[in-house]
Amino acid sequence: EPEVTQTPSHQVTQMGQEVILRCVPISNHLYFYWYRQILGQKVEFLVSFYNNEISEKSEIFDDQFSVERPDGSNFTLKIRSTKLEDSAMYFCASLAGGQTQYFGPGTRLLVL
Amino acid sequence: KNEVEQSPQNLTAQEGEFITINCSYSVGISALHWLQQHPGGGIVSLFMLSSGKKKHGRLIATINIQEKHSSLHITASHPRDSAVYICAVPYSGGGADGLTFGKGTHLIIQP
Repeated sequence: EPEVTQTPSHQVTQMGQEVILRCVPISNHLYFYWYRQILGQKVEFLVSFYNNEISEKSEIFDDQFSVERPDGSNFTLKIRSTKLEDSAMYFCASLAGGQTQYFGPGTRLLVL
Repeated sequence: KNEVEQSPQNLTAQEGEFITINCSYSVGISALHWLQQHPGGGIVSLFMLSSGKKKHGRLIATINIQEKHSSLHITASHPRDSAVYICAVPYSGGGADGLTFGKGTHLIIQP
């Protein structure tokens, strides 16, 4: 069964550093999403992406964040200057349309 | 923005019991999602429903659009059903939106 993959599974970085989280959505899917889950809290929506542009973003997705689909397969989330409070599990998801979202296994980001 | 409330937050039951988890939301939606999060963190979609009832194996999901309420039922519960069950609705109400998640119900089924 096709699946969403994410790399790396874990990343440790220093505060102020840039990180790029990578996702490979399911190949025929058209809609892509990033979510985060701070330890012990609920999953939060960050951004949705369709037709090579952001279709919606939450108040969490500020100027420190950006997304890109550089090559038609990868979908990336960049955090420009990480803060301690960016430590979380980041999930990518994709959707074909009219169906349920498929989630990747997540990247656990720890900012020191 | 939609608000999602789930109850109970925690539920411990014996194997074989019938389980009900409830979800209510504040703004009209196109569809509601039930998801399962495993102890390792992985998230799996269980149901997407916009009306009535859906069944998959021992899981049943119902929704009442007028009352803005949904329930997830597990029949003949088993220890492998132990997980966090999460209700989610579209962030802005549309079908392909990102999702607003509830806090989840942490379910433990004891043998």
